Amino acid sequence: NSKVIQTPRYLVKGQGQKAKMRCIPEKGHPVVFWYQQNKNNEFKFLINFQNQEVLQQIDMTEKRFSAECPSNSPCSLEIQSSEAGDSALYLCASSLSASYAEQFFGPGTRLTVL
Amino acid sequence: QQKVQQSPESLIVPEGAMTSLNCTFSDSASQYFAWYRQHSGKAPKALMSIFSNGEKEEGRFTIHLNKASLHFSLHIRDSQPSDSALYLCAVKGTQVVGQLTFGSGTRLQVYA
Repeated sequence: NSKVIQTPRYLVKGQGQKAKMRCIPEKGHPVVFWYQQNKNNEFKFLINFQNQEVLQQIDMTEKRFSAECPSNSPCSLEIQSSEAGDSALYLCASSLSASYAEQFFGPGTRLTVL
Repeated sequence: QQKVQQSPESLIVPEGAMTSLNCTFSDSASQYFAWYRQHSGKAPKALMSIFSNGEKEEGRFTIHLNKASLHFSLHIRDSQPSDSALYLCAVKGTQVVGQLTFGSGTRLQVYA
């Protein structure tokens, strides 16, 4: 079973509020990905890290989200000002190395923006 | 930009049936092809993956890849009620640290 831990499992915020979620990758996995899964099960890649450095991120993440993976602390993803369209399941995944394809997922944080 | 599509959207089969799920992709240079399974409220979990053309079998599951046709599939032999879940196909492009591009899933229900 995957050992990627995500907290909280559920998050409810009002529009304009900050929403922060955390991820502890599997031990020994230096590469971390964040995805957004909407109600139609469509996945959107948001950002990935290798150790503490951002490798790639999409425009939306650059503008409205902040994310980090500090050493010896959980990774985090924060929406600065939540919008109704941000309601989704946010999945964190980790991988053994930059060139290793398989990603191991956590159970996700389900965000509802009222 | 990679496009990944799955068919069918949903499938209901009796216990013991052979189930076939399909996935098409748009980038012929893609290097990694996988099927993930997601039970309700749980993490997506990798079932099987393949890197080159051909077929691979693990237990009741077989993955088949045809890069020329931009198509891969998952076949489940002797489907069980515990196989009921959302099945997601995923493709990785040529970037070393590239993200997976997922299809939007096939919801499988196996009834006893």
